[in-house]
Amino acid sequence: SAVISQKPSRDICQRGTSLTIQCQVDSQVTMMFWYRQQPGQSLTLIATANQGSEATYESGFVIDKFPISRPNLTFSTLTVSNMSPEDSSIYLCSVLGGDDTDTQYFGPGTRLTVL
Amino acid sequence: AQSVTQPDIHITVSEGASLELRCNYSYGATPYLFWYVQSPGQGLQLLLKYFSGDTLVQGIKGFEAEFKRSQSSFNLRKPSVHWSDAAEYFCAVGAANDYKLSFGAGTTVTVRA
Repeated sequence: SAVISQKPSRDICQRGTSLTIQCQVDSQVTMMFWYRQQPGQSLTLIATANQGSEATYESGFVIDKFPISRPNLTFSTLTVSNMSPEDSSIYLCSVLGGDDTDTQYFGPGTRLTVL
Repeated sequence: AQSVTQPDIHITVSEGASLELRCNYSYGATPYLFWYVQSPGQGLQLLLKYFSGDTLVQGIKGFEAEFKRSQSSFNLRKPSVHWSDAAEYFCAVGAANDYKLSFGAGTTVTVRA
């Protein structure tokens, strides 16, 4: 399976600021996704990061709040904009493709706390 | 739309005892089923998956799961748990040609000495 890294692993931010999270994969993959895991909750899909085009957002998530980039087949970023304490969550990227086109593999996550 | 139910929010088990985590899904076609584990402060690690074929699947760390179509279930089992199995376990359902996964709420497993 692909090896996925995320930066930063955790951060504490002030409300009103923005944070960009990076996701790097060690091999080319077909699809990349961003999830949010709020405290004590399950995972919710934010969006699919599309290479060379705008991300596809799920209901309840908008580009202005969560801009996403995917410049190539191994890298994506998620920005959490104008943060509030409600944005405190773990943000995870996952990938589909490479050697296994039917299984999503997840990165280690970024734990974000907004004060 | 697909959905997943994990009826047990929290399970406590003694080290060396057996463990079974329940998962029920709702999906109109043949589902792709997954179990992931999340250790404290970590991301999700794939334990095992079922797409087709033998309904009893073996995974990593000594886990296995059985797909029962008649019961719409995909329960996870381990014969003898270790303290390192303390974690949160997520069941997820997807489908062929549909990358979206629906996750259950998760079951937290505590292992007591």
